[in-house]
This record gives sequence, C-alpha cells and structure tokens, in this order.
Amino acid sequence: DTEVTQTPKHLVMGMTNKKSLKCEQHMGHRAMYWYKQKAKKPPELMFVYSYEKLSINESVPSRFSPECPNSSLLNLHLHALQPEDSALYLCASSQVGDKFSSPLHFGNGTRLTVT
Amino acid sequence: AQSVTQLDSQVPVFEEAPVELRCNYSSSVSVYLFWYVQYPNQGLQLLLKYLSGSTLVKGINGFEAEFNKSQTSFHLRKPSVHISDTAEYFCAVNSGGYQKVTFGIGTKLQVIP
Repeated sequence: DTEVTQTPKHLVMGMTNKKSLKCEQHMGHRAMYWYKQKAKKPPELMFVYSYEKLSINESVPSRFSPECPNSSLLNLHLHALQPEDSALYLCASSQVGDKFSSPLHFGNGTRLTVT
Repeated sequence: AQSVTQLDSQVPVFEEAPVELRCNYSSSVSVYLFWYVQYPNQGLQLLLKYLSGSTLVKGINGFEAEFNKSQTSFHLRKPSVHISDTAEYFCAVNSGGYQKVTFGIGTKLQVIP
C-alpha cells in the first residue's frame, strides 16, 4: 500500500469544468510535488512545495493552480483544461533535510481525461 | 546540467533468466542516482538509490545496481527475473539542486513465461 494517497483515481472533465485533485501524506515529509506523466513517457515535474510554500513552478500554464493547505495536503486545482492535458497526475513527497538525496514517495496517481 | 540516458526502451527476457537494464548519466557535479519501478496503473516505487560509499547497491525485490563513475553508468541487474517483475523501470538523477530529479525515458521489462 502506498503511503501517499491521491483522490480521485480517475477523473473525466469537460474543458469548461473546474475540478481539484487531492493528495495526502502522513510521513512527516515537508516537500511535496506534482508530476504529469503522459503515456509511455517519464514523469515531468510541475510544482514543488517546501514547508508549504511554492518553491518550483516549471512554467506550468495558469489553468493548473496548486495549493498546499498544510504539511500533509496538496491540491491541484484545474480549470479550462485542454484535451492535451489528459495524463496521469502523480503526487510525491520527500524529506527536505538533505536536498539531493531524499527519494521521492509517489502516490498511485489520478488518471485525468479532458473531453 | 544533468541528464539520464536509458539505452533500451524495451527488454524482453525469459522467466528465471538474468537481466540488465542500462542507464548512463551526465552531470557536472556529484550525483545521487535512483532506480524506480512503475507497475501498470500505479505510481513509481523506489527500487534502490546510490548516494555515496559502496558502488554496489542492493534494493528491493532482489535487484541491485552498480555505480561506475568512470563510465558514468548505473546499470540495474537481477540474476533471475519473475513474471511479477514485468513493469516500467526509470533511472533518475538528482544533482541540479532542490529536488529537481531528472528521469530517463524508461525501460519496459517484459518477462516471458
């Protein structure tokens, strides 16, 4: 069982909808991440939060809006998405004590389909 | 800058045979190297990591990897594979600062009964 929980597992939304993806971890990690993974591709980093503050935004379009309400929760708010945004969205967490060596702990992802 | 090259996109292997999945990296500074596995419809799971010390690293599920600085490689090996090892394997490097992990394109290991 994964220690990073993502909901929902599947999401189908229209281009005019607003929806949110949720991620929760209880490992005491203070860094949390959103990755996007297209089929047969590696994960691509979108956002990094450290101590609940946004530290990295990889030039992600504004139709994706991250939020970190507390150290255990991470949300990704979606609005006016395009069909090409359909992908597996992965949440991950890690320790921040040693910036370079802490492995990532991934959730099982949300499979998003934009129609 | 850092990058990872996984030389094989697919590796078919018969059950109980040995396997090696190849990974080469480039970085101008010290590196931390990882192998992750992704089973269908799941997230990524850490198999093993190299941070420092012994160049032979043992991981979960009987996998091991050897760090070779002179060849800038970090190949993953298993002496005898099982059907359940069928999955996508990603090599990853972190040397760019603040958790900017770079993943390789992945190698699909297909174990044939």
